[in-house]
Amino acid sequence: KQEVTQIPAALSVPEGENLVLNCSFTDSAIYNLQWFRQDPGKGLTSLLLIQSSQREQTSGRLNASLDKSSGRSTLYIAASQPGDSATYLCAVNSGGSNYKLTFGKGTLLTVNP
Amino acid sequence: DAGVTQSPTHLIKTRGQHVTLRCSPISGHKSVSWYQQVLGQGPQFIFQYYEKEERGRGNFPDRFSARQFPNYSSELNVNALLLGDSALYLCASSLGTGVETQYFGPGTRLLVL
Repeated sequence: KQEVTQIPAALSVPEGENLVLNCSFTDSAIYNLQWFRQDPGKGLTSLLLIQSSQREQTSGRLNASLDKSSGRSTLYIAASQPGDSATYLCAVNSGGSNYKLTFGKGTLLTVNP
Repeated sequence: DAGVTQSPTHLIKTRGQHVTLRCSPISGHKSVSWYQQVLGQGPQFIFQYYEKEERGRGNFPDRFSARQFPNYSSELNVNALLLGDSALYLCASSLGTGVETQYFGPGTRLLVL
């Protein structure tokens, strides 16, 4: 059974700081891994998708890496801004007959002005 | 193009009642998945439908059911509501090949009293 863990559960940083969010998963046989952002009480916004054959993906100030063999992914946010404050969720697609995502509990990020 | 839409946005029910939640996927997407997110947790997979057929079911009781229509929209039905069914219900759509990004709607917030 796939399990996804995100560390830390919460993170508070001053504006402008670079930061790293961590995600680990127990079963390395995955199709892909997706990072999402969730604002309070809202749905999920897709940030980055990394296929199992890829090592990293970049979008603007965001960079996600994937080390499938060790079961780890990181989301790097450069030059953080108060608008980055949200919960960041990591989800793994383990394939099979359906395309279900297994989520971690998320990291609550607060960027202070 | 419109994103994934869900209705209603909020709903209040009492224990024992029945509820129907609706989801319209992004145009061209043939797969719809449903997730339940309770406060402080990551979303949990409930169902996935592709081309009107159920492709996967998560660890939820038979009180939960779903279907997909010819236009690829979907309904999630929950019977005999319990207090523990209070959650944010999220719908995700994708093309259906299994390796692409899943896009989430804003969710329906269900409160069971």
